[in-house]
Amino acid sequence: KAGVTQTPRYLIKTRGQQVTLSCSPISGHRSVSWYQQTPGQGLQFLFEYFSETQRNKGNFPGRFSGRQFSNSRSEMNVSTLELGDSALYLCASSLGDGEGSPLHFGNGTRLTVT
Amino acid sequence: AQSVTQPDIHITVSEGASLELRCNYSYGATPYLFWYVQSPGQGLQLLLKYFSGDTLVQGIKGFEAEFKRSQSSFNLRKPSVHWSDAAEYFCALYNFNKFYFGSGTKLNVKP
Repeated sequence: KAGVTQTPRYLIKTRGQQVTLSCSPISGHRSVSWYQQTPGQGLQFLFEYFSETQRNKGNFPGRFSGRQFSNSRSEMNVSTLELGDSALYLCASSLGDGEGSPLHFGNGTRLTVT
Repeated sequence: AQSVTQPDIHITVSEGASLELRCNYSYGATPYLFWYVQSPGQGLQLLLKYFSGDTLVQGIKGFEAEFKRSQSSFNLRKPSVHWSDAAEYFCALYNFNKFYFGSGTKLNVKP
């Protein structure tokens, strides 16, 4: 079974631009979660989508948004990029069945904002 | 409220020595608990999971973890560390479709 795939692996953007990150979950997984990871703040939860609906949301500004498609693939968008948005963005999929099914992570997208 | 604490930010052990990484949680009932490992530039990989049953859980790569309800702990252990175990380790708790991660412990392995 293929794992979680994130594209692209690396991105360099300029402050003020916007960016879209993509995540393809493991086949059969209906939940996709996004995390931001930085050396200073650690692993921070952005949001979770389940069956195309946002089910949970972290404490990030509205510049961070996401969506999920009918095939469970998900995208995350960050508008008006700031230098502080430089981070590793991790996507994770799971069955999302409420039974403690574990998260399966992709290798992340490394975003650098200059 | 749920939370996970990993008291040790960095740990250094010699290759071949035993390892124990600490994890404490705050939760009212029996939690789902997980350990993940992250190598530099990579995503997190699941090592093992616990929910009820035997309190000693075996995972991949020779790791095991012991759930102790009385101490609210879920410590990760390995009898003999290999240089390839150098990575960051995260403990996590699951409740109602939400995962709560600890801040991680970075493991260095001395030759």
